[in-house]
Amino acid sequence: GAGVSQSPRYKVAKRGQDVALRCDPISGHVSLFWYQQALGQGPEFLTYFQNEAQLDKSGLPSDRFFAERPEGSVSTLKIQRTQQEDSAVYLCASSLGGIGEKLFFGSGTQLSVL
Amino acid sequence: DAKTTQPPSMDCAEGRAANLPCNHSTISGNEYVYWYRQIHSQGPQYIIHGLKNNETNEMASLIITEDRKSSTLILPHATLRDTAVYYCTHGSSNTGKLIFGQGTTLQVKP
Repeated sequence: GAGVSQSPRYKVAKRGQDVALRCDPISGHVSLFWYQQALGQGPEFLTYFQNEAQLDKSGLPSDRFFAERPEGSVSTLKIQRTQQEDSAVYLCASSLGGIGEKLFFGSGTQLSVL
Repeated sequence: DAKTTQPPSMDCAEGRAANLPCNHSTISGNEYVYWYRQIHSQGPQYIIHGLKNNETNEMASLIITEDRKSSTLILPHATLRDTAVYYCTHGSSNTGKLIFGQGTTLQVKP
């Protein structure tokens, strides 16, 4: 596709369930970012990949959050044992990489933990 | 990490210019200033970015002060569809990572 694609668009999970959120970046984009956006707040950085290497995971809120990009294209954000405070929109963005390159965002996955 | 300061909200009359200010006093010499906007239920949309010089594209103009500590996004003829949250940020020189603040909610009124 022409843009960043995220799936599912909406996800409802029971507390304690594991969830997996998928991101398909723009083809050829080296950099991939995950953000978490709570209602009424700006996006909060979670983690960053350059190709398949996860170079920055400083924003992951706990060890229940795990991200991977094994072949340097599609990425998955996994949340184990979901909690109510994990409810948010999870945004994925990609770029060509490097200084001065703009990020292209997907529409996000809205996660609701009941 | 980048930190920017923006007014939480602004109003603008339809057809008039909207001028959105941003302070980014911690910006480093090789970091670009980026502006994004977000409409409800969508991801942030790129508007414009610049390093030192003023920039203009089909969406907006970006004015960066000489000391690069602040900038202004100008929407020359605001329409109702420009109602959104506008984020100003600057990117990490190493990774391109962007740190977002709370943004400015721009309400364009008829």
